[in-house]
Amino acid sequence: DSGVTQTPKHLITATGQRVTLRCSPRSGDLSVYWYQQSLDQGLQFLIQYYNGEERAKGNILERFSAQQFPDLHSELNLSSLELGDSALYFCASSVGASVGEETQYFGPGTRLLVL
Amino acid sequence: AQRVTQPEKLLSVFKGAPVELKCNYSYSGSPELFWYVQYSRQRLQLLLRHISRESIKGFTADLNKGETSFHLKKPFAQEEDSAMYYCALPGGPTGGSYIPTFGRGTSLIVHP
Repeated sequence: DSGVTQTPKHLITATGQRVTLRCSPRSGDLSVYWYQQSLDQGLQFLIQYYNGEERAKGNILERFSAQQFPDLHSELNLSSLELGDSALYFCASSVGASVGEETQYFGPGTRLLVL
Repeated sequence: AQRVTQPEKLLSVFKGAPVELKCNYSYSGSPELFWYVQYSRQRLQLLLRHISRESIKGFTADLNKGETSFHLKKPFAQEEDSAMYYCALPGGPTGGSYIPTFGRGTSLIVHP
């Protein structure tokens, strides 16, 4: 599959725990975006990385962090988890850095359930 | 602050009927707008973008700066159009960065 991949597909954990979500972009894409989708908030942009560097930051909580590695895959770390963090987390990728011009290609998402 | 509003959570029509999914935006600059679609059990994907002014799967969208709208239209709905539709504003520079903003989505159901 040459599209965006995300692992794991599902994750169940307890409050206070820490989890890591992984995303591999499409071949050739340098930008990775993370989104959170919850029932009450819709699709919320969290953060963008371009070629290893943070490019744009949205409403990402301080308990959350991300990074993009030299091979361009990205990880989203969620710590001190709360019930409200239960959501679908999407990763997307694009060729360039300019969000206003780029088509984003989305992964299938990771469904996180915090109990 | 930029904002995208999709006033309808659900739109239900019969096959062959016209469809209009509404999108209004709030943005201080010159906007670029996108429509994304998510079919059942598939990933979110781009449907069309304002700048390309193209028709995809019979859908069109016109940017109306006066009404700050980017409504998605199709003259004759098909059952395979049933999906979740998101209007998106890629954003503009905020401290030098671009913050994408998505609407909450409209679920379109096309009945046979």
